[in-house]
Amino acid sequence: EVQLLGSGGGLEQPGGSLRLSCAASGFTFSSFAMSWVRQAPGKGLECISTIGGSGGGTFYADSVKGRFTISRDLSKSTLFLQMDTLRAEDTAVYYCAKGHNSGWFLFDYWGQGILVTVSS
Amino acid sequence: IVMTQSPATLSVSPGEGATLSCRASQDISSNLAWYQQKPGQAPRLVIYGASTRATAIPTRFSGSGSGTEFTLTISSLQSEDFAFYYCHHYGNWPATFGQGTKVEI
Repeated sequence: EVQLLGSGGGLEQPGGSLRLSCAASGFTFSSFAMSWVRQAPGKGLECISTIGGSGGGTFYADSVKGRFTISRDLSKSTLFLQMDTLRAEDTAVYYCAKGHNSGWFLFDYWGQGILVTVSS
Repeated sequence: IVMTQSPATLSVSPGEGATLSCRASQDISSNLAWYQQKPGQAPRLVIYGASTRATAIPTRFSGSGSGTEFTLTISSLQSEDFAFYYCHHYGNWPATFGQGTKVEI
C-alpha cells in the first residue's frame, strides 16, 4: 500500500524558514517523480515543485523559484521541501504527491497535507 | 497554460447525472486529469489521459475530450460524489489546475 506521510509544518514569521518532509512507502521511491502541491485557504491547487525519480531534474513554479528547494533522500525514501524567505502568501496546506507512470506531473497518490502558516 | 472550469457550482439531486467542463488555453492533447477533493482531505485522482479511470474509480465516472475541450460526466450521483472537482493539465511544466467545480446537493 502506497503511503505518504508529511511532517514539518507550523507557524513561521515572514522571512523565516521551514523544512517539510514526506516519508514514502509501498513503492520503489527512486522510480517515480515526486512533487509538492499547495492549496491556500479556500483556494484551488497549485503545483509548486517537482523532482525526477533519481533526483534528476527539478522544476519550480515562478511563485517559489529562488526561495524553495526540493530534494529527496533515496536511502530514506523521503522527499523534502526547504522553504526560505517565507511570505504571508505562502500560507497553505502543502501536499506531497507521487508521480504516475504516465507522467511526472500526474499525481496518483497524495499525502495527508501539512499546514504552513506564515504570520507575524 | 490556463485551465478554465465551468460551472463554478453545480447543484444536483442524488441519482441525477452531472457534466463538468474544462477548457485549456492551448492544445494539451489528452494530457488531462480530473481530481476529486472533499473538505479536509487530499485530492483523489479520478480520470487521467482525458478518459482513463484511475484505480478503484467507479464506472459512473467518465471523461472525454482532447485538445482544448474536456468533460467529466458522473452518470448517477451518489452521496459520496458531492465534492470539488479539479481538472489538471500535466503534459509539461508548469502543470496547472483549473479553479474547480463544486458539485453540491
